[in-house]
Amino acid sequence: DGGITQSPKYLFRKEGQNVTLSCEQNLNHDAMYWYRQDPGQGLRLIYYSQIVNDFQKGDIAEGYSVSREKKESFPLTVTSAQKNPTAFYLCASSRRGGLDTQYFGPGTRLTVL
Amino acid sequence: AQKITQTQPGMFVQEKEAVTLDCTYDTSDQSYGLFWYKQPSSGEMIFLIYQGSYDEQNATEGRYSLNFQKARKSANLVISASQLGDSAMYFCAMREGHSGGYQKVTFGTGTKLQVIP
Repeated sequence: DGGITQSPKYLFRKEGQNVTLSCEQNLNHDAMYWYRQDPGQGLRLIYYSQIVNDFQKGDIAEGYSVSREKKESFPLTVTSAQKNPTAFYLCASSRRGGLDTQYFGPGTRLTVL
Repeated sequence: AQKITQTQPGMFVQEKEAVTLDCTYDTSDQSYGLFWYKQPSSGEMIFLIYQGSYDEQNATEGRYSLNFQKARKSANLVISASQLGDSAMYFCAMREGHSGGYQKVTFGTGTKLQVIP
């Protein structure tokens, strides 16, 4: 079945460590996105990519990095520079960059100990 | 100013009754799109329904319909015949921008719906 997978579902990290969240899609979508969700808030855009080997910063990119080497994959690295990384992270994809409905993966809950 | 406003943090509805979740938006673009997503406790965001700014008829998808009032800049979600499985957070979102490039999607803060048996 086509869809978006994110792993792991839960992730624990010690302060000062970098950690990478995985996002894979087999929908043949061109565009992919990373959002952060904090309790009581909507989603905020971290990074997006409209095409392979290209990505752009969203509203809250500081302390995060991404790569888009393959169409199917858009991993997010939460670096030690991110001051408050504990949150729920959602990956999404759409057929074309911004022109189509975004479909979401199941999310990764990151907790910094 | 908030781009998307959902004024109801939480709502209750009796099973089998209809419920309306409010959403107002703010944009100066002529071309934009409005979405509703459902987020159950598992966390995944599930796409429910879409309305384009030029669509003259209200969008419907099964038990979901979008009450689009362009002049009032509102895009309320109506769920008919509520079911226990409808208990979840519901987010309104808007896509705006120029065609041909990236169009940003902005999300509201959500409404928590609880269906009572």
